[in-house]
Amino acid sequence: SQQGEEDPQALSIQEGENATMNCSYKTSINNLQWYRQNSGRGLVHLILIRSNEREKHSGRLRVTLDTSKKSSSLLITASRAADTASYFCVHDMRFGAGTRLTVKP
Amino acid sequence: EAGVAQSPRYKIIEKRQSVAFWCNPISGHATLYWYQQILGQGPKLLIQFQNNGVVDDSQLPKDRFSAERLKGVDSTLKIQPAKLEDSAVYLCASSFGGREKLFFGSGTQLSVL
Repeated sequence: SQQGEEDPQALSIQEGENATMNCSYKTSINNLQWYRQNSGRGLVHLILIRSNEREKHSGRLRVTLDTSKKSSSLLITASRAADTASYFCVHDMRFGAGTRLTVKP
Repeated sequence: EAGVAQSPRYKIIEKRQSVAFWCNPISGHATLYWYQQILGQGPKLLIQFQNNGVVDDSQLPKDRFSAERLKGVDSTLKIQPAKLEDSAVYLCASSFGGREKLFFGSGTQLSVL
Protein backbone atom coordinates (compact mmCIF):
# COMPACT_ATOMS: atom_id res chain seq x y z
CA SER A 1 0.00 0.00 0.00
CA GLN A 2 1.08 3.58 -0.53
CA GLN A 3 2.40 5.39 2.52
CA GLY A 4 2.23 9.09 3.16
CA GLU A 5 -0.79 11.05 2.07
CA GLU A 6 -0.36 14.62 0.90
CA ASP A 7 -2.77 17.44 1.49
CA PRO A 8 -4.04 19.36 -0.39
CA GLN A 9 -4.32 17.40 -3.62
CA ALA A 10 -3.95 20.60 -5.61
CA LEU A 11 -2.79 24.11 -4.79
CA SER A 12 -2.77 27.22 -6.96
CA ILE A 13 -0.96 30.38 -5.89
CA GLN A 14 0.52 33.56 -7.33
CA GLU A 15 4.23 34.00 -7.88
CA GLY A 16 5.88 35.34 -4.76
CA GLU A 17 3.44 33.69 -2.36
CA ASN A 18 4.36 30.84 -0.05
CA ALA A 19 3.12 27.29 -0.60
CA THR A 20 2.58 24.77 2.17
CA MET A 21 1.98 21.08 1.60
CA ASN A 22 1.30 18.52 4.30
CA CYS A 23 1.96 14.82 4.55
CA SER A 24 0.61 12.28 7.01
CA TYR A 25 1.83 8.76 7.53
CA LYS A 26 0.73 5.80 9.59
CA THR A 27 3.73 3.83 10.77
CA SER A 28 7.01 4.66 12.49
CA ILE A 29 9.73 6.11 10.31
CA ASN A 30 13.50 6.25 10.02
CA ASN A 31 13.26 9.21 7.72
CA LEU A 32 10.84 11.00 5.43
CA GLN A 33 11.72 12.43 2.04
CA TRP A 34 10.19 14.98 -0.31
CA TYR A 35 10.45 14.81 -4.11
CA ARG A 36 9.38 17.04 -6.97
CA GLN A 37 8.16 15.90 -10.38
CA ASN A 38 7.82 18.34 -13.22
CA SER A 39 5.46 17.72 -16.12
CA GLY A 40 7.22 15.08 -18.05
CA ARG A 41 8.76 12.55 -15.78
CA GLY A 42 11.77 13.76 -13.92
CA LEU A 43 11.63 12.96 -10.21
CA VAL A 44 14.06 14.99 -8.16
CA HIS A 45 14.96 14.61 -4.51
CA LEU A 46 14.38 17.76 -2.44
CA ILE A 47 14.99 16.99 1.24
CA LEU A 48 15.43 14.03 3.58
CA ILE A 49 14.52 14.58 7.23
CA ARG A 50 15.38 11.95 9.83
CA SER A 51 13.13 10.88 12.66
CA ASN A 52 15.27 12.69 15.25
CA GLU A 53 15.09 16.00 13.36
CA ARG A 54 12.27 18.50 13.66
CA GLU A 55 13.10 20.97 10.94
CA LYS A 56 15.35 21.18 7.92
CA HIS A 57 16.06 23.91 5.38
CA SER A 58 17.33 23.91 1.84
CA GLY A 59 17.29 27.22 0.01
CA ARG A 60 13.65 28.32 -0.23
CA LEU A 61 12.43 24.99 1.13
CA ARG A 62 11.62 24.25 4.74
CA VAL A 63 10.51 20.84 5.95
CA THR A 64 9.14 20.08 9.40
CA LEU A 65 8.51 16.73 11.00
CA ASP A 66 6.22 15.97 13.93
CA THR A 67 6.59 12.31 14.82
CA SER A 68 3.98 12.55 17.58
CA LYS A 69 1.38 13.55 14.99
CA LYS A 70 2.92 11.42 12.24
CA SER A 71 2.99 14.38 9.92
CA SER A 72 5.38 16.50 7.90
CA SER A 73 5.05 19.73 6.00
CA LEU A 74 6.92 21.27 3.08
CA LEU A 75 7.01 25.05 2.80
CA ILE A 76 8.18 26.75 -0.38
CA THR A 77 8.80 30.44 0.19
CA ALA A 78 8.67 33.17 -2.45
CA SER A 79 7.36 30.76 -5.07
CA ARG A 80 8.27 31.03 -8.74
CA ALA A 81 6.55 29.81 -11.88
CA ALA A 82 9.30 27.20 -12.16
CA ASP A 83 8.09 25.65 -8.90
CA THR A 84 5.01 24.41 -10.74
CA ALA A 85 5.18 20.65 -10.29
CA SER A 86 3.85 17.72 -8.27
CA TYR A 87 5.34 17.24 -4.82
CA PHE A 88 5.48 13.87 -3.10
CA CYS A 89 6.37 12.77 0.39
CA VAL A 90 8.08 9.39 0.65
CA HIS A 91 8.07 7.13 3.66
CA ASP A 92 9.62 3.67 3.67
CA MET A 93 10.35 4.20 -0.04
CA ARG A 94 6.64 4.50 -0.78
CA PHE A 95 5.17 7.60 -2.39
CA GLY A 96 1.95 9.36 -1.54
CA ALA A 97 -0.50 10.60 -4.16
CA GLY A 98 1.17 14.01 -4.29
CA THR A 99 0.19 17.67 -4.27
CA ARG A 100 -0.11 19.38 -7.61
CA LEU A 101 1.24 22.94 -7.22
CA THR A 102 0.56 25.59 -9.82
CA VAL A 103 2.36 28.93 -9.49
CA LYS A 104 0.85 31.63 -11.67
CA PRO A 105 3.16 34.34 -13.01
CA GLU B 1 28.68 11.32 -12.70
CA ALA B 2 26.45 9.23 -14.95
CA GLY B 3 22.85 8.97 -13.85
CA VAL B 4 20.45 6.06 -13.82
CA ALA B 5 20.02 4.74 -17.35
CA GLN B 6 16.81 3.17 -18.57
CA SER B 7 15.71 1.75 -21.89
CA PRO B 8 13.64 1.78 -23.92
CA ARG B 9 12.18 5.25 -23.54
CA TYR B 10 8.85 4.25 -25.05
CA LYS B 11 7.18 0.93 -25.78
CA ILE B 12 3.86 0.15 -27.39
CA ILE B 13 2.55 -3.40 -27.27
CA GLU B 14 -0.72 -5.23 -27.56
CA LYS B 15 -2.35 -6.90 -24.59
CA ARG B 16 -1.11 -10.39 -23.85
CA GLN B 17 2.29 -9.61 -25.33
CA SER B 18 5.50 -9.58 -23.28
CA VAL B 19 7.76 -6.65 -22.59
CA ALA B 20 11.04 -6.06 -20.77
CA PHE B 21 12.63 -2.95 -19.35
CA TRP B 22 16.28 -2.45 -18.53
CA CYS B 23 17.96 -0.32 -15.88
CA ASN B 24 21.58 0.48 -15.12
CA PRO B 25 21.96 2.22 -11.74
CA ILE B 26 24.56 4.72 -10.66
CA SER B 27 27.90 3.04 -10.13
CA GLY B 28 28.36 1.98 -6.54
CA HIS B 29 24.69 2.13 -5.60
CA ALA B 30 23.76 -1.06 -3.84
CA THR B 31 20.02 -0.52 -3.79
CA LEU B 32 17.82 -0.54 -6.87
CA TYR B 33 14.08 0.08 -7.11
CA TRP B 34 11.40 -0.32 -9.75
CA TYR B 35 8.32 1.88 -9.56
CA GLN B 36 5.14 1.97 -11.62
CA GLN B 37 3.52 5.36 -12.12
CA ILE B 38 0.04 5.48 -13.59
CA LEU B 39 -1.00 8.85 -14.98
CA GLY B 40 -2.15 11.18 -12.23
CA GLN B 41 -0.88 8.98 -9.40
CA GLY B 42 2.24 8.76 -7.29
CA PRO B 43 4.88 6.14 -8.11
CA LYS B 44 4.09 2.70 -6.70
CA LEU B 45 6.99 0.60 -5.44
CA LEU B 46 7.12 -2.72 -7.27
CA ILE B 47 10.38 -4.20 -6.06
CA GLN B 48 13.51 -3.25 -4.12
CA PHE B 49 16.87 -4.98 -4.52
CA GLN B 50 19.83 -4.77 -2.17
CA ASN B 51 22.77 -5.87 -4.30
CA ASN B 52 21.26 -8.88 -6.11
CA GLY B 53 18.84 -9.88 -3.34
CA VAL B 54 15.18 -8.91 -3.10
CA VAL B 55 14.34 -6.76 -0.07
CA ASP B 56 10.70 -5.98 -0.82
CA ASP B 57 8.46 -7.28 -3.59
CA SER B 58 5.20 -7.16 -1.66
CA GLN B 59 3.49 -4.99 -4.29
CA LEU B 60 4.78 -6.83 -7.34
CA PRO B 61 2.02 -8.71 -9.22
CA LYS B 62 3.99 -11.91 -9.34
CA ASP B 63 1.60 -13.72 -11.65
CA ARG B 64 2.73 -11.49 -14.53
CA PHE B 65 5.65 -9.35 -13.36
CA SER B 66 9.18 -10.54 -12.71
CA ALA B 67 12.44 -8.77 -12.04
CA GLU B 68 16.03 -9.73 -11.63
CA ARG B 69 19.28 -8.05 -10.81
CA LEU B 70 22.12 -10.26 -11.86
CA LYS B 71 25.56 -9.57 -10.41
CA GLY B 72 24.07 -6.77 -8.31
CA VAL B 73 24.29 -4.14 -11.04
CA ASP B 74 21.88 -4.01 -14.02
CA SER B 75 18.27 -5.00 -13.61
CA THR B 76 15.43 -6.05 -15.89
CA LEU B 77 11.71 -5.89 -15.23
CA LYS B 78 9.45 -8.10 -17.32
CA ILE B 79 5.71 -8.22 -17.82
CA GLN B 80 4.23 -11.37 -19.30
CA PRO B 81 1.45 -11.22 -20.41
CA ALA B 82 0.65 -7.51 -20.40
CA LYS B 83 -2.80 -6.16 -19.58
CA LEU B 84 -4.37 -2.84 -20.51
CA GLU B 85 -4.03 -1.63 -16.91
CA ASP B 86 -0.24 -2.04 -17.12
CA SER B 87 -0.06 1.13 -19.21
CA ALA B 88 2.14 3.39 -17.11
CA VAL B 89 5.60 4.85 -16.76
CA TYR B 90 8.08 2.41 -15.26
CA LEU B 91 10.72 4.16 -13.25
CA CYS B 92 14.01 2.78 -12.02
CA ALA B 93 15.82 4.39 -9.11
CA SER B 94 18.97 3.67 -7.18
CA SER B 95 20.46 4.73 -3.88
CA PHE B 96 23.74 4.20 -2.10
CA GLY B 97 22.03 2.47 0.79
CA GLY B 98 18.52 1.44 1.68
CA ARG B 99 15.97 4.16 2.56
CA GLU B 100 18.27 6.93 1.40
CA LYS B 101 18.06 9.57 -1.32
CA LEU B 102 16.77 8.14 -4.57
CA PHE B 103 18.18 8.95 -7.98
CA PHE B 104 15.69 8.31 -10.76
CA GLY B 105 16.06 7.41 -14.39
CA SER B 106 13.92 9.00 -17.10
CA GLY B 107 11.54 6.07 -17.15
CA THR B 108 9.94 3.90 -19.80
CA GLN B 109 6.47 4.86 -20.95
CA LEU B 110 4.49 1.70 -21.71
CA SER B 111 1.27 1.74 -23.69
CA VAL B 112 -0.71 -1.49 -23.84
CA LEU B 113 -3.32 -1.50 -26.61
